[in-house]
Amino acid sequence: GENVEQHPSTLSVQEGDSAVIKCTYSDSASNYFPWYKQELGKRPQLIIDIRSNVGEKKDQRIAVTLNKTAKHFSLHITETQPEDSAVYFCAAPRPHGNQFYFGTGTSLTVIP
Amino acid sequence: EAGVAQSPRYKIIEKRQSVAFWCNPISGHATLYWYQQILGQGPKLLIQFQNNGVVDDSQLPKDRFSAERLKGVDSTLKIQPAKLEDSAVYLCASSLVAASPLHFGNGTRLTVT
Repeated sequence: GENVEQHPSTLSVQEGDSAVIKCTYSDSASNYFPWYKQELGKRPQLIIDIRSNVGEKKDQRIAVTLNKTAKHFSLHITETQPEDSAVYFCAAPRPHGNQFYFGTGTSLTVIP
Repeated sequence: EAGVAQSPRYKIIEKRQSVAFWCNPISGHATLYWYQQILGQGPKLLIQFQNNGVVDDSQLPKDRFSAERLKGVDSTLKIQPAKLEDSAVYLCASSLVAASPLHFGNGTRLTVT
């Protein structure tokens, strides 16, 4: 999406290592940032989200951090497992709208 | 709760033919979206409904694409006539209210030959 940049586009890590995916957005009024995981041939599924009133949210091995000043948010996966292999998308609200721009996706491969 | 239902799961048509996709959102979800996902890209919004009204269709190619959500529940997306570049997965998503977590269906994979 034109208002969300996502990096890297591909990421390979050894099992047990950490993975970090970063997204930047342009609208300072954005206040809700979800992350979706999409396995091959399947639908995107929400894995974690964060609202702008907090700087970090954690759910077991997954965490999201938000830097409102710099307008970026990151997905952190610790102790990666082969089943974490998928494409991950970030999303941010469109300016003046109620829909989401999606990032271009990060293909994560966890090597056993 | 039952998820977002979509059909068909796959569709292969020739260019210039017509095709229609169906979506049944999660019960009670007022907002319904159609996204187009081309291989290797993120989902791109085509149209958003709030109940049975269109909120945003600015990215819908209206010369060939149309969508409706009668009675504010089920929705259909139609392409007529199809082009090769329409080959993609068409995802339907719903949310309780706008800008809240999206719940996606399994999508319809369209191949235009």
